[in-house]
Amino acid sequence: GAGVSQTPSNKVTEKGKYVELRCDPISGHTALYWYRQSLGQGPEFLIYFQGTGAADDSGLPNDRFFAVRPEGSVSTLKIQRTERGDSAVYLCASSLGRGPYEQYFGPGTRLTVT
Amino acid sequence: AQSVTQLDSQVPVFEEAPVELRCNYSSSVSVYLFWYVQYPNQGLQLLLKYLSGSTLVESINGFEAEFNKSQTSFHLRKPSVHISDTAEYFCAVTLEGAQKLVFGQGTRLTINP
Repeated sequence: GAGVSQTPSNKVTEKGKYVELRCDPISGHTALYWYRQSLGQGPEFLIYFQGTGAADDSGLPNDRFFAVRPEGSVSTLKIQRTERGDSAVYLCASSLGRGPYEQYFGPGTRLTVT
Repeated sequence: AQSVTQLDSQVPVFEEAPVELRCNYSSSVSVYLFWYVQYPNQGLQLLLKYLSGSTLVESINGFEAEFNKSQTSFHLRKPSVHISDTAEYFCAVTLEGAQKLVFGQGTRLTINP
């Protein structure tokens, strides 16, 4: 079956602009996660959804970052007033639900802020 | 808060040699432990995990990892590596009852012929 997909694969934007990154999880997966991976680092947790609600948003760095999952499937990560420090690969993952289920990762969106 | 340390950022080895990738974690409560692998130009994939029970866990491609609670370690080993094992390996931990993964910095394994 289809895995986790993310669009776009690459996004270049100017400092101060607004961007949206999209994630399509595996069908039937109720849990969805966003991580950010900077060059030479491991992925860093941003936010976790269980269904439509954000169950843990403790990793969002500041209020410029926001994510939604209105119908419990597709999720969008939104970044306002982008800064050069936001440049990273943004990873989405999904899993079956609560518990130590395997998280399946998408290929990521590489965001470059110029 | 929990954290994960991967002691080696790069590990070069010759083909068919044994390898150990080190991972230590810090947590005051029970954890679940994972190794993820990222092959060149591919996404992260789960290699193996420890949830409970036997402290030695194995993957389908010959890797194994042992959970050592007293040393708070979860080192990854393979007795004989292949060129196809070239990848970046990430150790990760999650607290029992939690969902988010906390990753180490990654270890780049390079296999030389």
